[in-house]
Formats: sequence, structure tokens, C-alpha cells
Amino acid sequence: GNSVTQMEGPVTLSEEAFLTINCTYTATGYPSLFWYVQYPGEGLQLLLKATKADDKGSNKGFEATYRKETTSFHLEKGSVQVSDSAVYFCALRRLGNNNDMRFGAGTRLTVKP
Amino acid sequence: DSGVTQTPKHLITATGQRVTLRCSPRSGDLSVYWYQQSLDQGLQFLIQYYNGEERAKGNILERFSAQQFPDLHSELNLSSLELGDSALYFCASSALVGGGYTFGSGTRLTVV
Repeated sequence: GNSVTQMEGPVTLSEEAFLTINCTYTATGYPSLFWYVQYPGEGLQLLLKATKADDKGSNKGFEATYRKETTSFHLEKGSVQVSDSAVYFCALRRLGNNNDMRFGAGTRLTVKP
Repeated sequence: DSGVTQTPKHLITATGQRVTLRCSPRSGDLSVYWYQQSLDQGLQFLIQYYNGEERAKGNILERFSAQQFPDLHSELNLSSLELGDSALYFCASSALVGGGYTFGSGTRLTVV
């Protein structure tokens, strides 16, 4: 079945450090891939997405590239800020209205000043 | 404001009771999804409705039920509540085939 595996947290970084959160997926067909972010006390917000192989999603300094050959969609940011502290979820969704989104377990990131 | 409205934001109730959580999807979205988020942060898919019809079921307990009304708002009913049902319950909506979801801010349910 379709599933997502992301690196376990928590991840603690100092401000301005480089961030990588690994995400790999298993799916039949060609799913769309997403990263969502959940700030404390809030719901999930779409951070970025990619809909086909080699697409790069980017937003707020975060990037992720859809790698079909390695079935991966790793999240990266060159210089994290304290305000990036949140839980990050990788997700996939196949085409079709009946296909619910499958989420990874989430990775908690804490950025210290 | 994401456009998905969930009420109430917080709910405290006793074991054995029944509660109803409400969700209004983003304007134009026909699909509504319900998720449960436990304290260890995992998101569990409960159920999906599309234009009033149930389309997919996840690990939803028999004590839980949901429906989507003609105006597209949805309600999640939780009955015979147990302490372990304490969690955040999120509603999300979507429009595009294969597109992303828009999440509400959730209802925090505490069962005491």
C-alpha cells in the first residue's frame, strides 16, 4: 500500500544551521508529494508540494525535490530560524478523489538561538 | 484563517458521554476528511466524505460516526467516550483531484 516514512525526531539545531528531514515513500503509480508544517497549538499548513518526478517544491526558504529513482522527498533549508520550530509532516496522495492523504509520523524540530 | 472552520476549539467531557465535532470546509471544497492526532503527534485518518457520501474509511472506531450534510459541513460523532479518546481532532477539505488538503485548527477533546 501507499505509505510514507520520515526520519524520527526530535531534531534540535542552532539558529542558522542547515536542516535536512528525510522522507521516503512507497506508492503505486505517481503520487503527489507534500510537506506540511504544524506550529504549536495550530493545525497543519501546507508548506510545499511536488506533483511529478524531478519537480522541486519551495516555500519560505524550504525546498524538497521529488526523486522517483530513490523514492524520496527530503526537506531542506539552508539556514533555520527559531521561528521554524514546529512539527513537519511528509505526505503523499495518489490521483483521484477517493485517495486519502497518507502522512508520515512527523518530525519535531526545535531551533535554539 | 485557512478557510476550514472547526468548532468547538476545546471540549472537556466525562467518560461514557457523547460529543459532536463540527467542520465547515473551505468554500468550494467537496471533500472533507477527519483525522485524529494523538499526544505522540501521529495523524490517524478516520473517514472521508465527498459531496455528502462516505468515500473512504480509515481506522475509525465503531463508537465514532460521521456525516456530511447538503451544505457540505460535516459532523463527527464520538460516543461512549473513553480516556484514550482524548486527542486533537482535525478536519481537512480539498477540491482538486490529487491536490493538497486545507486543515482546520482542530478540536482538542479531553475525556476525564
